[in-house]
Amino acid sequence: GESVGLHLPTLSVQEGDNSIINCAYSNSASDYFIWYKQESGKGPQFIIDIRSNMDKRQGQRVTVLLNKTVKHLSLQIAATQPGDSAVYFCAEKAPHDYKLSFGAGTTVTVRA
Amino acid sequence: SQTIHQWPATLVQPVGSPLSLECTVEGTSNPNLYWYRQAAGRGLQLLFYSVGIGQISSEVPQNLSASRPQDRQFILSSKKLLLSDSGFYLCAWSVSGETQYFGPGTRLLVL
Repeated sequence: GESVGLHLPTLSVQEGDNSIINCAYSNSASDYFIWYKQESGKGPQFIIDIRSNMDKRQGQRVTVLLNKTVKHLSLQIAATQPGDSAVYFCAEKAPHDYKLSFGAGTTVTVRA
Repeated sequence: SQTIHQWPATLVQPVGSPLSLECTVEGTSNPNLYWYRQAAGRGLQLLFYSVGIGQISSEVPQNLSASRPQDRQFILSSKKLLLSDSGFYLCAWSVSGETQYFGPGTRLLVL
C-alpha cells in the first residue's frame, strides 16, 4: 500500500542553526498532513499541520511547506535548540479516512 | 482541556500470560480512539481504531484485540502474549479524524 516516507533517517544540527526535515508522500489524494515530535520514552507530540489547499503554514519557530506537485512535505525549525533533539514523524490522511499514515521518522540531534 | 491517560506505564509479562492495557480520555465526547505499537527505534504501527462505543476496526491480524466499553475508554487485550508483542503501546484520540493526540504510552516487555 501507499505510505509516507522520509528522505533521511538522521539529521545532526548545530545549535542555533535552522533544521529542515523532509518527507515524501505517495498518495496524491491525501488532503491533510501533520508533523509530530517524539522525545525518548514519550508519546508523539503535535507540532503543526497543513491542509492540501495551502502550501505553507507557520507556527512558533516552525514552518511546514507542502509541494503537491512533487508530493513533498518539509518541516523547518528555526534556531534549533537542544530541546529540539527528538524523532520527527510526518503523517498524511486521505479524504474521508479516520487514519493517519505515518512515515518512518527522522532522528534529529542538536550539537552544542 | 482534554487529557489522555494510559496505564500501566511499564509492564513486564511472561510469554503466554494475558494482557490488558487501558486508555481513557477526559474533556471530550465521542472521540475517535486509536491503538498503536512502536518497536524500538521504529515507526508507528496502527493496530486498532474505534469511531464509537462497541465499534472496533482492526488493521493488523494478530493475537491482540481491542474493546471500547465506554465512550472514552479503550482497552487493548491479549489472551496469550508472544515475545513479538513487546513494544511501546500508544493510545491516541481525535475528534476530527485528523489531528491525533497521543497518550504517554505503555512499555511492554514480554519475557
